[in-house]
Amino acid sequence: AQKITQTQPGMFVQEKEAVTLDCTYDTSDQSYGLFWYKQPSSGEMIFLIYQGSYDEQNATEGRYSLNFQKARKSANLVISASQLGDSAMYFCAMRGMEYGNKLVFGAGTILRVKS
Amino acid sequence: ETGVTQTPRHLVMGMTNKKSLKCEQHLGHNAMYWYKQSAKKPLELMFVYNFKEQTENNSVPSRFSPECPNSSHLFLHLHTLQPEDSALYLCASSHLVPGLAGLYNEQFFGPGTRLTVL
Repeated sequence: AQKITQTQPGMFVQEKEAVTLDCTYDTSDQSYGLFWYKQPSSGEMIFLIYQGSYDEQNATEGRYSLNFQKARKSANLVISASQLGDSAMYFCAMRGMEYGNKLVFGAGTILRVKS
Repeated sequence: ETGVTQTPRHLVMGMTNKKSLKCEQHLGHNAMYWYKQSAKKPLELMFVYNFKEQTENNSVPSRFSPECPNSSHLFLHLHTLQPEDSALYLCASSHLVPGLAGLYNEQFFGPGTRLTVL
């Protein structure tokens, strides 16, 4: 069974608008961590934001925020005020003891920001 | 140099060649990783080294041979590869802490080596 599901293969957003990238996960762990990474065309994976399963508040990091809904097992990334430089592949990932404390990645979502 | 560096950035090799990918981290981390990223597939973890000891080998074919001489350097030796091995190979490092305390440890990635096997 897929552990991390990103249902949007590709997304378009107008510059300066907000966009939400979906991520759902599957785990039996009570303690786990959720991560989002950005991969521009250059190939490097850039860490964006982290959410712990016991964190009561949604994580925020600049223009990035994580809409964490634990009961629904979703961890959507919200990018506010999109910029052309946000065009990239975005990966959701999870780490938990069920998966040997390894990072498990979703298939990714390609985001294109239009001017 | 800072962060995680990888060389070469691009590599084209024949199926009978032997080549090596190099990764170096300048972050003082104790764990290093090799990932394979193929088109339209999720990132696949290949190997994990913790304090120079291999702790993970995700059923990777023996034509891929990792080497970790110290906690800052990681190599991936390639021998008699197949065209389906063409992919982006990413190296990462992190500070690995056992147990629940280690759940928050983001991995820092290098820029990757784009490998093409002819």
